[in-house]
Amino acid sequence: AQTVTQSQPEMSVQEAETVTLSCTYDTSENNYYLFWYKQPPSRQMILVIRQEAYKQQNATENRFSVNFQKAAKSFSLKISDSQLGDTAMYFCASTLSTGTASKLTFGTGTRLQVTL
Amino acid sequence: DTGVSQDPRHKITKRGQNVTFRCDPISEHNRLYWYRQTLGQGPEFLTYFQNEAQLEKSRLLSDRFSAERPKGSFSTLEIQRTEQGDSAMYLCASSSSLSGRETQYFGPGTRLLVL
Repeated sequence: AQTVTQSQPEMSVQEAETVTLSCTYDTSENNYYLFWYKQPPSRQMILVIRQEAYKQQNATENRFSVNFQKAAKSFSLKISDSQLGDTAMYFCASTLSTGTASKLTFGTGTRLQVTL
Repeated sequence: DTGVSQDPRHKITKRGQNVTFRCDPISEHNRLYWYRQTLGQGPEFLTYFQNEAQLEKSRLLSDRFSAERPKGSFSTLEIQRTEQGDSAMYLCASSSSLSGRETQYFGPGTRLLVL
């Protein structure tokens, strides 16, 4: 079974600054995917970034990047040049890479507030 | 591509009533998932389908819950004899096995309140 842990219930960052959200996971599998999803207040879950476990290179998507440490089972999200629109709940999630469909296992989330 | 849609967006019901939710996945996606999210928590897996086959059900899915995907397109989730503990956001997601990317895209959810 997979578990995902987010140890920061809430974080705050000033506009234009950089913030890092932490995530650790536990799995006995070798092939899996990791994701960060964003859920703005009263709005739907949006994919921010994904990482394949077999890739050593850290994924980046514009202002969002990850620090993937496979041996440490750590998958942190860095948001650069924070914007007010980044205010949301951020969920770290993992799924196995299998031939059939695979469920996502989510962490409990980190509420990020971007302030002026 | 119109994204994943869910209907209704909100549902208020009395305890003991039956409710049914609908999910329409992204048109080319053959995989469909249901999750439940309670306030302040991450989504928890309920069940998923590949085409019309229901491949896994969580222990969270009691006998009062049933899901179908009869033609491998839209899906329904029914809750019979609702209880106050069923109050939650029910999320649907879809993905494509053909893409090989295992990325699930979520709908806006159905918020259920059981009085």
